[in-house]
Amino acid sequence: DAGVIQSPRHEVTEMGQEVTLRCKPISGHNSLFWYRQTMMRGLELLIYFNNNVPIDDSGMPEDRFSAKMPNASFSTLKIQPSEPRDSAVYFCASSIYLAGGGTQYFGPGTRLTVL
Amino acid sequence: DAKTTQPNSMESNEEEPVHLPCNHSTISGTDYIHWYRQLPSQGPEYVIHGLTSNVNNRMASLAIAEDRKSSTLILHRATLRDAAVYYCILRDGSGNTPLVFGKGTRLSVIA
Repeated sequence: DAGVIQSPRHEVTEMGQEVTLRCKPISGHNSLFWYRQTMMRGLELLIYFNNNVPIDDSGMPEDRFSAKMPNASFSTLKIQPSEPRDSAVYFCASSIYLAGGGTQYFGPGTRLTVL
Repeated sequence: DAKTTQPNSMESNEEEPVHLPCNHSTISGTDYIHWYRQLPSQGPEYVIHGLTSNVNNRMASLAIAEDRKSSTLILHRATLRDAAVYYCILRDGSGNTPLVFGKGTRLSVIA
């Protein structure tokens, strides 16, 4: 299996532009998570889906952020309009439910820089 | 989520065992203890997890105190490739919940 695939790996954009991050989870996994990592706040959950349904989006910073999972093999995280404070590494992870909590498999991340 | 406490950093010599401690005094009966690590410029990766009994896998061992208020991740022979930030995380075993990351322990391995 190729693992969790994220694209792009790096994104540099200007303030005010729309940014779309993409994630392909591991086939057969029924949960998908979006995390963000910054030096100041560390790794924090933005939103997660079970069976393509958003379960908890309380970590989404504000209305500028939105996430979708139209099917089991694809998810997007959109920022519109982007701001310099959104600069971070965004990770997508997927898992399948197991007793004790399924192992989460992380993608390589997308490094976003907003100028 | 119950909170965990880990040392900010630790250092080890290559090919020596490393014991990474984690305190979780407010752990509940249904919480599993998970360990993830993050190598430089990579996403986190699963290391090991357990509930009450000690656990072993190809990467590491997990020793859980009898009262479950603390645990220790054991790397039997540290290599340079084990240099990473190690996160101890409690997860409720009732569902596929997100991971709540603390600051973790940054492990340095000296050749």
